[in-house]
Parts: sequence; C-alpha cells; structure tokens
Amino acid sequence: DIQMTQSPSPQPAFVGDRVSITCRASQSVSSDLNWYQQKPGKAPNLLIYGASSLHSGVPSRFSGNGAGTDFTLTISNLQPEDCATYYCQQTNTTPWTFGQGTKVEIK
Amino acid sequence: QVQLVESGGGLVKPGGSLRLSCVVSGFTFSGSYMAWLRQAPGKGPEWLAYISPSGGTRYYADSVRGRFSISRDNTQNSLYLQMNSLGAEDTAVFYCARPSQLRRWGFDYWGQGALVTVSS
Repeated sequence: DIQMTQSPSPQPAFVGDRVSITCRASQSVSSDLNWYQQKPGKAPNLLIYGASSLHSGVPSRFSGNGAGTDFTLTISNLQPEDCATYYCQQTNTTPWTFGQGTKVEIK
Repeated sequence: QVQLVESGGGLVKPGGSLRLSCVVSGFTFSGSYMAWLRQAPGKGPEWLAYISPSGGTRYYADSVRGRFSISRDNTQNSLYLQMNSLGAEDTAVFYCARPSQLRRWGFDYWGQGALVTVSS
C-alpha cells in the first residue's frame, strides 16, 4: 500500500497569514493527489484534485502543487473558517490511501 | 441539491453483522461509481470499497475483503454495505461517497455518516 505522510500541525497562525501543509507519498502517485478539509462532526470536503485543480466552489485562496511524491496545500490569506483538519489522499493505486491529517488553528 | 443519506448504523456485538444503506439524490446515481469509507475516532478516513455504475466491478481494501460486501440498486438510487464478522476495530463513522472520474477519483460528494459501534 502507498503510505501518505503529512507534515505536523503548524503553529497557530493569524488571520491573513499564509499556511502550507505538505504531503509525501511512499512512492510516486503522479498527480493523482487530492486534498480535503474536514471540520468536527462533518464529512470531509474535496478542495483540490489532481494535485492542483480547485474543486468547484472552493475559495481561490486554496491552492495545491506537486507531483510524484511531494505535494503542498497552501492557504493564502487565512480566514477563521479555515480552522479544520486537512487530509491528502492518493488515487493512483488501490487501495486509495489518506494521510493522517494536519490540523490548522487560528491564533 | 445533492444528498447522500446513510442509515443502518448502531451498536452491534463482536462477531455480529450490520447492513448500511445510502440513498442518493441530485446526481445520476446509475452512471456513477460509488464507494464506502470509514473514519475511526481521531483517525483519518479509510477507503473500504468501490463499485462500478453497473455493479459489475467491485474492489475492496484488504482490511474488509471477505467480511464486507458492497452492492447497489440503481432502481432505488441506493448503495449498500453488508458487514459481517464485526470486531472492535470496525468501530467508526461510515460514509458513502462518490469517487469522481472527472476529478482524479476524488470524493466529491459525501453522506453525513453513520456511526457503527462494535462492543459487547
């Protein structure tokens, strides 16, 4: 199985800051990498698919990049509603696997 | 408006069985791949199984293969997960979701989740 490892939760950030989360795959997943946002008690929401494509309705302050084994989700101009846990997921090879999650907090 | 509504969760004893259902509206269910995932407390999501639009192709994660069975009824816009030989490690919130071919198989629609607790 492909293991997905996310960076530890960053220090709490201020509204308006830029926050980046990284995700590393144990082997290449090409660009078959998706990012989700999850708030407590809710299902995850798709933010980014194909490493860098913004899902419909997602604010443009979210962006993704990377290919192969290393990927980054960036939130520019952090907003209070961005407090959540973020997950990466690879869909290059079954079983489709998720990272362990990275929590983003606001100061 | 897209809706996926799961039902059938609850408390079950170890070794027991449970059947989850997911009723879909708002998109063409019969043309969509569908999947089940679960999320144990404090953990990330875990994909369990997917099924093709016709039901002819089904694929399972090793953790549930042989114990869980995914199926669908396109006339009822419904997805099912039959779960047998349940153990404490199966305690989780279970989600039905749509993996989208147009979005690199990202899950673009999710249900609200059904809690399954396996305990004596």
